[in-house]
Amino acid sequence: QVQLVQSGAEVKKPGASVKVSCKASGYTFTSYDINWVRQATGQGLEWMGWMNPDSGNTGYAQKFQGRATMTRDTSISTAYMELSSLISEDTAVYYCARGPPGITHYYMDVWGKGTTVTVSS
Amino acid sequence: SSELTQDPAVSVALGQTVRITCQGDSLRSYYATWYQQKPGQAPVLVIYGKNNRPSGIPDRFSGSSSGNTASLTITGAQAEDEADYYCNSRDSSGNHVVFGGGTKLTVL
Repeated sequence: QVQLVQSGAEVKKPGASVKVSCKASGYTFTSYDINWVRQATGQGLEWMGWMNPDSGNTGYAQKFQGRATMTRDTSISTAYMELSSLISEDTAVYYCARGPPGITHYYMDVWGKGTTVTVSS
Repeated sequence: SSELTQDPAVSVALGQTVRITCQGDSLRSYYATWYQQKPGQAPVLVIYGKNNRPSGIPDRFSGSSSGNTASLTITGAQAEDEADYYCNSRDSSGNHVVFGGGTKLTVL
């Protein structure tokens, strides 16, 4: 079945970086965008950016431009999201989600279970 | 701040109909997508495009749009529909994606 399996929980100190992985299975990895969405405890969903695994092209929300980096390894159908210069406000659950590339009315149809990132000194 | 605005909370009596709305300028150009999220779980796609339901989503869920407002309607709400609901669409530039702030639905 189609699924996205994310890496395990992380605890980081302020100023550090974190790299979360998202392994796709059950479909052709390069045929769908991978989006990254985060959610702080008790808060709403926040779109961070997307990556086209075929071309490697990326797009970031302005808030994360320069601090988030989305990459992929097509040989193992895995996408990565690295967030640098962590602060306590980056403590959240980070989701990857699949989206059909290039369509006008965008949607994300398959989601990973989320990776909890805790930033604490 | 979100470019899509949702009411923070809505309630509905069991078996009744409820409409959850999402407002934003980008919705004049793009259909809203709707997601359901239950506590401790990842979001689930419930409505996409003009009014499309993924496999497994009950037909009591439907979507509509008028001007800058999109609506998710649940006809005959069930106890299991109690959840947070989020809308999203491309932003006004078309190059990025935005989410609404979410609506907590309580089924009484």
